Amino acid sequence: EVQLVESGGGLVQPGRSLRLSCAASGFTFDDYAMHWVRQAPGKGLEWVSGISWNSGSIGYAGSVKGRFIISRDNAKNSLFLQMNSLRAGDTALYYCAKDLFSYDSRKIIDYWGQGTLVTVSS
Amino acid sequence: EKVMTQSPATLSVSPGERATLSCRASQSVSSNLAWYQQKPGQAPRLLIYDTSTRATGIPARFSGSGSGTEFTLTISSLQSEDFAVYYCQQYHNWPLFGQGTKLEIK
Repeated sequence: EVQLVESGGGLVQPGRSLRLSCAASGFTFDDYAMHWVRQAPGKGLEWVSGISWNSGSIGYAGSVKGRFIISRDNAKNSLFLQMNSLRAGDTALYYCAKDLFSYDSRKIIDYWGQGTLVTVSS
Repeated sequence: EKVMTQSPATLSVSPGERATLSCRASQSVSSNLAWYQQKPGQAPRLLIYDTSTRATGIPARFSGSGSGTEFTLTISSLQSEDFAVYYCQQYHNWPLFGQGTKLEIK
């Protein structure tokens, strides 16, 4: 059974940093691209960042480019999101998500974690 | 900048009836379009990808159509568990979601 468990969320002041982690199990992690998707309270889904299976291809939404860094550790079946210069607008539930197809990152998401809440406030 | 626009924002339909949800892309995304369902307090669930391919375990009452910039999700006979928020997502480039359509009971 595929499991994605996010951690690292919490309350942080504007301008500070936070690092999210996602522990993956139940599938061959290093075969799949992975993504972070966020959802502000009461709002819709926003794709944040994605990384290919071998970290060779990385993308960011315009709203986070230059501030967030995605990475993965295939030896530890883990995905990360380093979030710097946080703003109130980054307040959201952050989901770790898995790509549907192995190797060929089509950017279709078939599994989601339950999310970790990030609140940016002074 | 590519934009995905869903309509209507809210759709009220009676159980057993058909629901038709629309998604429009500001630029062509070919057939690279997926649909997700999200219920309150839950993570989204993949319904449809490549415009019309149902994901594993998705009932046949869910169908997708379209190409280029205009796409439709049809639910042929609404069941009580289908009332939720639906999002379209293009993956022609890096992913981009629509703002969602809330399907509510009439």
